[in-house]
Parts: sequence; C-alpha cells; structure tokens
Amino acid sequence: KAGVTQTPRYLIKTRGQQVTLSCSPISGHRSVSWYQQTPGQGLQFLFEYFSETQRNKGNFPGRFSGRQFSNSRSEMNVSTLELGDSALYLCASSLPSGRVGEQYFGPGTRLTVT
Amino acid sequence: SQQGEEDPQALSIQEGENATMNCSYKTSINNLQWYRQNSGRGLVHLILIRSNEREKHSGRLRVTLDTSKKSSSLLITASRAADTASYFCATPPNTGNQFYFGTGTSLTVIP
Repeated sequence: KAGVTQTPRYLIKTRGQQVTLSCSPISGHRSVSWYQQTPGQGLQFLFEYFSETQRNKGNFPGRFSGRQFSNSRSEMNVSTLELGDSALYLCASSLPSGRVGEQYFGPGTRLTVT
Repeated sequence: SQQGEEDPQALSIQEGENATMNCSYKTSINNLQWYRQNSGRGLVHLILIRSNEREKHSGRLRVTLDTSKKSSSLLITASRAADTASYFCATPPNTGNQFYFGTGTSLTVIP
C-alpha cells in the first residue's frame, strides 16, 4: 500500500497570507489527524477528522481549520499567517478508532512564514 | 493532559552500545506507543505496548511499561548509526486518535 502523502513538502508564505495543506491517507484508513511540530512546543495535536467530521480538536485558534472529503483525503487551512505558524505540519492516518492501533505519518509539510 | 515526558532529552553513544530512554505520563492509558523521527521527517511507529503488558520485544527493541509508576522505557540494543533519530512516546486516548506526544529523546549513535 502507498503510504500517507502530503503536499506540498515545502512552502514559504508571507505573514497575513493563508495556506492550504493536503493529506492523502493510506487506502482504507478513515481517520486523519493533523499535528504541528515546532522546536519550542514539540508535537501538538491540531484536529482529527473521521468520516468527514471533525471528531477531536486541539487547543489552537480558529485560524486553523480543516476538512475531510468523502475519499478520506484531508486539507488543513491556516488563515492570516503569523511568524509563529512556521512549523512542520504532519498528518497521520489510522484505522477506525474502534481498534487500538498506531498512526501512520506522512513526511510532513515544512511551512515557513516570513 | 496525558502528555509524556522523555528522559534524557539527548543521548550520545558509540555504535554497538545499548541506548535506553524513558517516558513518563500523567493519566491512565490503554496503551503506550513509541515512534521514531529522522531529522525533519514524519514519525515512524516502532512498537505498541498495552496497559496489561509489562514488557514487549521487537527485533533490537525492548519496551517496558510500569503503570503503577506511569512510566515506560525503550531499550535499543547493539545500536547502529542508522538509529540516530528522535524518539517519542505517545499515549492515545481511550477513543479517537488525539495522540499526546512527549518531548522526545534525541539519540546520536557515533560510528
């Protein structure tokens, strides 16, 4: 099976702009989670989508949003970018949470805000 | 928060030596998982240990879990240069996939 893919891999944006990141989960996986990784804060959970519905949400401002499509692909959007949004954004897919299992991570999107 | 804390933050060893890193967490868990991250890349799942297990092996990896102390350890035996990476413990919730990750241990294996 193909792994989790994320596009783009690298992105440079200017403060105030908005950005959309994409994640395609492993075929058959219905849950997609998003994480932000920074040197100072480590890995922080953003949100999880399951069957096109946001199931869990981390402690991030409303500028961070996401959605999931019927084919389980997910996008996350950050509006009004701030310098502090510079980070590695990781998505992970999982089988339905009824099973206790692991998450499969994509390679990440490196976002730099200037 | 169920966020774990790894210890040490950084570890440097010679190739062939064993590496041990520890994780502490705060609340009850169903399972605890360890992940590896090579520099600037995604995380790779290494091993999962359930709350009713005390020890688990996978190749050169050995994980222990002490739920009374809310701690886990990851032992990598006969380390290789390719083991150089950051290692994270993660505690998933009872439902959903809202994982909490620790701060990570940065392991450097010197050839």
